[in-house]
Amino acid sequence: AQSVTQPDIHITVSEGASLELRCNYSYGATPYLFWYVQSPGQGLQLLLKYFSGDTLVQGIKGFEAEFKRSQSSFNLRKPSVHWSDAAEYFCAVGAGTGNQFYFGTGTSLTVIP
Amino acid sequence: SQTIHQWPATLVQPVGSPLSLECTVEGTSNPNLYWYRQAAGRGLQLLFYSVGIGQISSEVPQNLSASRPQDRQFILSSKKLLLSDSGFYLCAWSGNTGELFFGEGSRLTVL
Repeated sequence: AQSVTQPDIHITVSEGASLELRCNYSYGATPYLFWYVQSPGQGLQLLLKYFSGDTLVQGIKGFEAEFKRSQSSFNLRKPSVHWSDAAEYFCAVGAGTGNQFYFGTGTSLTVIP
Repeated sequence: SQTIHQWPATLVQPVGSPLSLECTVEGTSNPNLYWYRQAAGRGLQLLFYSVGIGQISSEVPQNLSASRPQDRQFILSSKKLLLSDSGFYLCAWSGNTGELFFGEGSRLTVL
């Protein structure tokens, strides 16, 4: 069965520190992978996506993610966190042009000054 | 460019009252459309998705229903709301680029 696991429910980092949010997936076919960010009371915004090719993908707001097929992982990273990055982050897997998307339960990020 | 809008943004309804949340997409044709629910502090639960007019697939049995009367319109309804229907409802669409695009969300509180 398809599933996405985000093992960290909540992470706190200091402003300027590096960040890594973990995501593991279970998917029977070649996955399409996504990271979304959600600010309180708002919809989800796409940070980045991986469909194929280079396994290190760059996204908006200085985020990047690396697809590791052997580990079934798609971890999100940022070298230096800004206070405005405080939000909820969701990893998702999809079938590309299909109609099924599976989301993790999210990781809440707190940034302390 | 494509846009997605859903309304109302906030809704407070008594138990047993009806519900109608609307979502429209502009700038694309024949999108896949989705309704998700997000309970407080939890992830996204897929409620319904649609691949075309009048075609609705339900993921979770409940007292909610969805309809797609037009290509780019998706409506979430209930005849009688329950307390457990409270939550944040998100409409989304996908096309041939493979990713989901979300609306701004609708906060429903059932009292």
